[in-house]
Amino acid sequence: EAGVVQSPRYKIIEKKQPVAFWCNPISGHNTLYWYRQNLGQGPELLIRYENEEAVDDSQLPKDRFSAERLKGVDSTLKIQPAELGDSAVYLCASSLVRTGEGYEQYFGPGTRLTVT
Amino acid sequence: RKEVEQDPGPFNVPEGATVAFNCTYSNSASQSFFWYRQDCRKEPKLLMSVYSSGNEDGRFTAQLNRASQYISLLIRDSKLSDSATYLCVVNTLLDMRFGAGTRLTVKP
Repeated sequence: EAGVVQSPRYKIIEKKQPVAFWCNPISGHNTLYWYRQNLGQGPELLIRYENEEAVDDSQLPKDRFSAERLKGVDSTLKIQPAELGDSAVYLCASSLVRTGEGYEQYFGPGTRLTVT
Repeated sequence: RKEVEQDPGPFNVPEGATVAFNCTYSNSASQSFFWYRQDCRKEPKLLMSVYSSGNEDGRFTAQLNRASQYISLLIRDSKLSDSATYLCVVNTLLDMRFGAGTRLTVKP
């Protein structure tokens, strides 16, 4: 079974430029997450989707970040314009179902963004 | 205070040693708990869930103490391949939080 797919794996852009990341979750997983991970830190949740609905975007900097999951499958995360502080690894994860007992997330390889 | 805090590490141990990590959480409504492993420049991968009764998977044992709001991970007979960063994850129905991770290096 294919895992979570992300592209690109690496991206270098100049500040003020736009950038987009793409994620395809594991087939059948209805919940999709975007995280940002800075060096030496744990992943920080940016947005969580359950099917097409963004159920938690409280940590998403909405002035410059946007995300969509139009058909409830793959998703894109966009930054416009990028700032130097956006340099990080952007991780996508998916899980099968969200229950009160917990849910195991499976991560993609991430996109390493460098803003110069 | 951070919602999820872990031993800062790094932990440097010889092969065969036993090592334990702790993770404390502040939200008493937390419901599910996990340990993830993250290798350098790789994505996190689920190591094990943490159940109320405690659980064991080979050399790894996870414990949950709800009263004191912490979880622990014990690794026995450490292998070189155990070198990684170990992340704890604490979830509520509405939220999920990763700790910053504890780095472990197992040396020959």
